[in-house]
Amino acid sequence: GALVYQYPRRTICKSGTSMRMECQAVGFQATSVAWYRQSPQKTFELIALSTVNSAIKYEQNFTQEKFPISHPNLSFSSMTVLNAYLEDRGLYLCGARDWQNYAEQFFGPGTRLTVL
Amino acid sequence: QQKVQQSPESLSVPEGGMASLNCTSSDRNFQYFWWYRQHSGEGPKALMSIFSDGDKKEGRFTAHLNKASLHVSLHIRDSQPSDSALYFCAASERGNMGYKLTFGTGTSLLVDP
Repeated sequence: GALVYQYPRRTICKSGTSMRMECQAVGFQATSVAWYRQSPQKTFELIALSTVNSAIKYEQNFTQEKFPISHPNLSFSSMTVLNAYLEDRGLYLCGARDWQNYAEQFFGPGTRLTVL
Repeated sequence: QQKVQQSPESLSVPEGGMASLNCTSSDRNFQYFWWYRQHSGEGPKALMSIFSDGDKKEGRFTAHLNKASLHVSLHIRDSQPSDSALYFCAASERGNMGYKLTFGTGTSLLVDP
C-alpha cells in the first residue's frame, strides 16, 4: 500500500531558531508533494507544492526564504521552518501524490511544532 | 474568507445512526472533491472522491455532488464509534486534480456507543 512517514512526529524549538522536518513516501512514487500547516483550530493552509521537474510553488503568505523545501527524488521531501516564532506553531502535514496511479493525496501523520 | 465551508461544525449521532455532513464551495473553479477523515493524532486519510454530479456509494459512505450549486455532502449510514473523527471536504481546480487541495473548515463527528 501507499504510505507516507513524517519525522519527527513532535518537536519543540526556541523562538528564533529553525527546525527541519522530513517526509518519506513508501509504496508509490511521490511525483508531487504538498506541504500544509494545520492550525490549532484544525484549519489547513497550503504552504507550497513541489512537483518533480518543476519549480516549487509557494502560496501567498509563505516564502522560500522562510520555508525552504527540498524534493530531491520520488520518495523524499524535506522542509525547514527558519526563524520560527509562535505563529508558526501547528501540525505540518506532507501530502504526496503519484500522478500515474492515484488521484488522491496520501498524507503522513504530521510533525507537530511547538515554539517556546 | 474560507473558500470551502462545512456544516455543521460538530455532529453527534447514536451508534447505528445516519450522519450527514455538508460542504459548499464559493469558487466555481473547483471541480473535483474529496472527503478526508482525520482521527486524533493522525494525518487526514481520503475516504472517497467525487467528480461528477450525482451520488457515489462506497460501503456505508455515500457522497453527493451538485456542481451547479457547488454543494457536496457525505452520508454515513450505520455509524460506528470508530467513525468518530474530524471530516474534511477538500476541493481541487480543473487541470489541477489532486495536486493542490483546498480544505474545508471541518466537521467533528462523535458517534455515541
